[in-house]
Amino acid sequence: DAKTTQPTSMDCAEGRAANLPCNHSTISGNEYVYWYRQIHSQGPQYIIHGLKNNETNEMASLIITEDRKSSTLILPHATLRDTAVYYCIVRVSNDYKLSFGAGTTVTVRA
Amino acid sequence: GAGVSQSPRYKVAKRGQDVALRCDPISGHVSLFWYQQALGQGPEFLTYFQNEAQLDKSGLPSDRFFAERPEGSVSTLKIQRTQQEDSAVYLCASSPPGTRTDTQYFGPGTRLTVL
Repeated sequence: DAKTTQPTSMDCAEGRAANLPCNHSTISGNEYVYWYRQIHSQGPQYIIHGLKNNETNEMASLIITEDRKSSTLILPHATLRDTAVYYCIVRVSNDYKLSFGAGTTVTVRA
Repeated sequence: GAGVSQSPRYKVAKRGQDVALRCDPISGHVSLFWYQQALGQGPEFLTYFQNEAQLDKSGLPSDRFFAERPEGSVSTLKIQRTQQEDSAVYLCASSPPGTRTDTQYFGPGTRLTVL
């Protein structure tokens, strides 16, 4: 059973913020939300993760709703190099596996 | 510093051949993972090592798949008697000592094509 639901694809304009949604309505209290991305012909790359608070790092921001049933990954100023498949993953703190779904194919257009 | 490296990057095998795929994790990383990624899909977990111990091999699709990490660093994924359905990208990842929520760092993968 899929733990997360993401749109299949989305386009965004270069230089604008890209907001990537993810639904995880069955998330448990001890499950974190992780985001990875996979640029064509490369392995997945970690972006960010969070439990309940919003998080920000040099790559992106993660906004988690108060009920934790959904989240949004924000790329503040998308560039052409951000074109990739973005995966939203929920993962318990003591689980070493990453369970990828199909992800969202994000295309940044000039 | 060097990331996770995998070799070969591309492998073409005839059905029935045996193949061996190598992973060099980041130095000092205790945990090592193998994933399989079919075309157009997300990666799927195959197996997990902590040092030389294979702690989970529940994702290996059949007994033709075998992984080892004898000295706790380099790992090899071996597929015996390859079949067309084994065609995929095989990804290796490693993570440093610490909690299980540590980041996994992925290599570029080996694309296996079975004819």
